[in-house]
Amino acid sequence: KAGVTQTPRYLIKTRGQQVTLSCSPISGHRSVSWYQQTPGQGLQFLFEYFSETQRNKGNFPGRFSGRQFSNSRSEMNVSTLELGDSALYLCASSLGTGGEAFFGQGTRLTVV
Amino acid sequence: GQQLNQSPQSMFIQEGEDVSMNCTSSSIFNTWLWYKQDPGEGPVLLIALYKAGELTSNGRLTAQFGITRKDSFLNISASIPSDVGIYFCAGRNRDDKIIFGKGTRLHILP
Repeated sequence: KAGVTQTPRYLIKTRGQQVTLSCSPISGHRSVSWYQQTPGQGLQFLFEYFSETQRNKGNFPGRFSGRQFSNSRSEMNVSTLELGDSALYLCASSLGTGGEAFFGQGTRLTVV
Repeated sequence: GQQLNQSPQSMFIQEGEDVSMNCTSSSIFNTWLWYKQDPGEGPVLLIALYKAGELTSNGRLTAQFGITRKDSFLNISASIPSDVGIYFCAGRNRDDKIIFGKGTRLHILP
């Protein structure tokens, strides 16, 4: 079955703009989590959605938001982009009730 | 909040050597997961562990779920060049939240 799909793979935006990233989880998975990864850093947890509700949230400013649709697809939005937002954004899907989490290939965001 | 201490941060080994890395925590986890990440790609799940004491292998990789449920280790035997990358441990807690270690960067010397 298809894995986790993230679109787009690469994105270049200008400071002050906003961006929306998309994640389609594995079929049947109800949980989608988002992570930010910068060079040399680990995985910084952004938030997790389960059945269209935000279940957990990391320590990121309100410029970072997300949502999940009834088909479990999720979007992440970053408004008023800053240079420091340049990173690899990863989403992971899981059943949501324990077990494994599977990652997409990520979206590489560059803010100039 | 809960934290995972993953060590070592990085390691340089000769091709053919065995590798060992581990994660420890002061908290209990219900599931341990080990991932490998290649540059510019998303982490790929290597091994999942569900029970305390469980020892699981995936080819040259072996991982164990610690008896106390507060630690896990990953061993790689007879390392090869394609083993290069960053290895992450992750634990799923009783609240169903996944906590990640900061990763172990593996370098293999020719």
